[in-house]
Amino acid sequence: AQSVTQPDIHITVSEGASLELRCNYSYGATPYLFWYVQSPGQGLQLLLKYFSGDTLVQGIKGFEAEFKRSQSSFNLRKPSVHWSDAAEYFCAVGAGTGNQFYFGTGTSLTVIP
Amino acid sequence: DTGVSQNPRHKITKRGQNVTFRCDPISEHNRLYWYRQTLGQGPEFLTYFQNEAQLEKSRLLSDRFSAERPKGSFSTLEIQRTEQGDSAMYLCASNTGGIYGYTFGSGTRLTVV
Repeated sequence: AQSVTQPDIHITVSEGASLELRCNYSYGATPYLFWYVQSPGQGLQLLLKYFSGDTLVQGIKGFEAEFKRSQSSFNLRKPSVHWSDAAEYFCAVGAGTGNQFYFGTGTSLTVIP
Repeated sequence: DTGVSQNPRHKITKRGQNVTFRCDPISEHNRLYWYRQTLGQGPEFLTYFQNEAQLEKSRLLSDRFSAERPKGSFSTLEIQRTEQGDSAMYLCASNTGGIYGYTFGSGTRLTVV
């Protein structure tokens, strides 16, 4: 069965510092992988996605993620965080049919000035 | 493209009452999904429609829950005889296929008192 693990419940970084949020997935075939961001009381916004090709994908707001099949990981990175990046980040995996996504429990990001 | 619209944004109801939520997807999206998100968790799949056909339902969708998408456009999610455990954010999303990721609405937050 598909599943997603986000090992970091909460991360605090200083504004301008680099960021890496971890995501490990469990899926038997090539997965569809996504990162979403959620601000308080809001729905989720798609940051980036991977389903084939180049393993380093670029997203919106300066985010990127790297798919590593050998490690079953899809970590999200940003070279320099802004205070507006403070939010909840969710990694998700989709099956081949794409009908249902499995989300991790999220990583809460705090940015300190 | 006005995005995915959900109404109401907030709903407080007494235990045992029935509630209904509405979702208006992006007009050209033929797939519509309902997810539930409880505090500190990622979204969990409830059900999905392709046009007007409900093609998949999660075990989370007990017999007190029913969803419809009568003309393949907007959808409603009804919860009968609400329980305190139904308190959550109910998220609607739409797309044209799983590999493209979802566009989420802002959600309906249900509080059962």
